[in-house]
Amino acid sequence: EIVLSQSPDFQSVTPKEKVTITCRASQSIDNLLHWYQQKPDQSPELIIKFASRSISGVPSRFSGSGSGTDFTLTINSLEAEDAATYYCLQSSSLPLTFGQGTKLEIK
Amino acid sequence: QAQLVESGGGLVQPGGSLRLSCSASGFSFSLYGMHWVRQAPGKGPEWVAFIRFDGSTKYYLESVKGRFSISRDNSKNTLFLQMNSLRLEDTAFYFCAKDESPRAYSVLDQWGRGTLVTVSS
Repeated sequence: EIVLSQSPDFQSVTPKEKVTITCRASQSIDNLLHWYQQKPDQSPELIIKFASRSISGVPSRFSGSGSGTDFTLTINSLEAEDAATYYCLQSSSLPLTFGQGTKLEIK
Repeated sequence: QAQLVESGGGLVQPGGSLRLSCSASGFSFSLYGMHWVRQAPGKGPEWVAFIRFDGSTKYYLESVKGRFSISRDNSKNTLFLQMNSLRLEDTAFYFCAKDESPRAYSVLDQWGRGTLVTVSS
């Protein structure tokens, strides 16, 4: 089973700040890494797929990078509506696995 | 826009059974693979099962193999999860999710709002 480790677990940030969340895989997964945003009492929403591909309708301040075992989600100029928990997901092999999540709090 | 609506959750005793349904609309259901994902309250998501677009291939999380069964009725645009021998640790919100690929597991690009399954005596 591929283990995904996210950091940090929690971050308190101010609006307009730049945020970086990392996801490290226990073995190489090429670019088969996807990012989701989950707000309270909602289902996860896909915000980046295949490590760096943007999703239609998702604000351009969200971007992703990485390949192999190390991946990064970047949120440029954070907005209040970005308060959520962010998860990475790998689809390289079964079982599909998620990172433990990074909770972003807006100050 | 794809819409997925889960139903069938509820309170069940350990050892009991439930059948979840997921009604799909807004896309060609029969052309895409589908998943079930669960999330215990306050925890992260956990993938449970996948079924190919035609129902010919199914994959399961190890801990649910032999107890859960994923299926689909493409004529009714509906996905199912039959859950037997339920355990306390199966308590979670259960989401159905669409894959962007028909054949292999790939990206879960649309999710329903979930249905809560509570296993308790």
